[in-house]
Amino acid sequence: KNQVEQSPQSLIILEGKNCTLQCNYTVSPFSNLRWYKQDTGRGPVSLTIMTFSENTKSNGRYTATLDADTKQSSLHITASQLSDSASYICVVSRYILTGGGNKLTFGTGTQLKVEL
Amino acid sequence: GAVVSQHPSRVICKSGTSVKIECRSLDFQATTMFWYRQFPKKSLMLMATSNEGSKATYEQGVEKDKFLINHASLTLSTLTVTSAHPEDSSFYICSAKGLGETNEQFFGPGTRLTVL
Repeated sequence: KNQVEQSPQSLIILEGKNCTLQCNYTVSPFSNLRWYKQDTGRGPVSLTIMTFSENTKSNGRYTATLDADTKQSSLHITASQLSDSASYICVVSRYILTGGGNKLTFGTGTQLKVEL
Repeated sequence: GAVVSQHPSRVICKSGTSVKIECRSLDFQATTMFWYRQFPKKSLMLMATSNEGSKATYEQGVEKDKFLINHASLTLSTLTVTSAHPEDSSFYICSAKGLGETNEQFFGPGTRLTVL
């Protein structure tokens, strides 16, 4: 079954600290993995997208890693800011063998709160 | 980057009325648009996929007569919630996909629907 699981479910950290969010997936056949940030009451915004051959990708203070062998990904946030408070969603895209195209499987997200 | 807008951002309606939500791709042509529904603290759930000029493909369990989707042009798709009930209250998010190697979806900001 195609699933994406994220941990922890929620996390509270102090401003300036680093944190790492985890994503495990069983989606197959794998196309790419994306991390999104979703502020409350807003649509998801893409942070990173990685294909099978990419192990790491950075976007400012966000660094995502991908281990396609173990089907795990992480999102590391450095020097957190209050504005980083949001839900972070791991999304894995798989190829549709019949008919073509891709289909996305969404994780339930990690709710991050950054406090003073 | 690609921008997707939704209108309205919030709507409150009475039971039994119909509500139309618009999704527009502002700076690219969207060959495919997707409609999602999201409950509080839950993941996005795909409702339907629409390709310009053709009928939408609905996910299992989604009533096509209740959630009418029209994708009349390469920049506009509409979702109409017909005869709305309080249980239809939710956050509705659209996304749009153009042509490209990663087939990345760009999400709109969402529409909060409250049915009284």
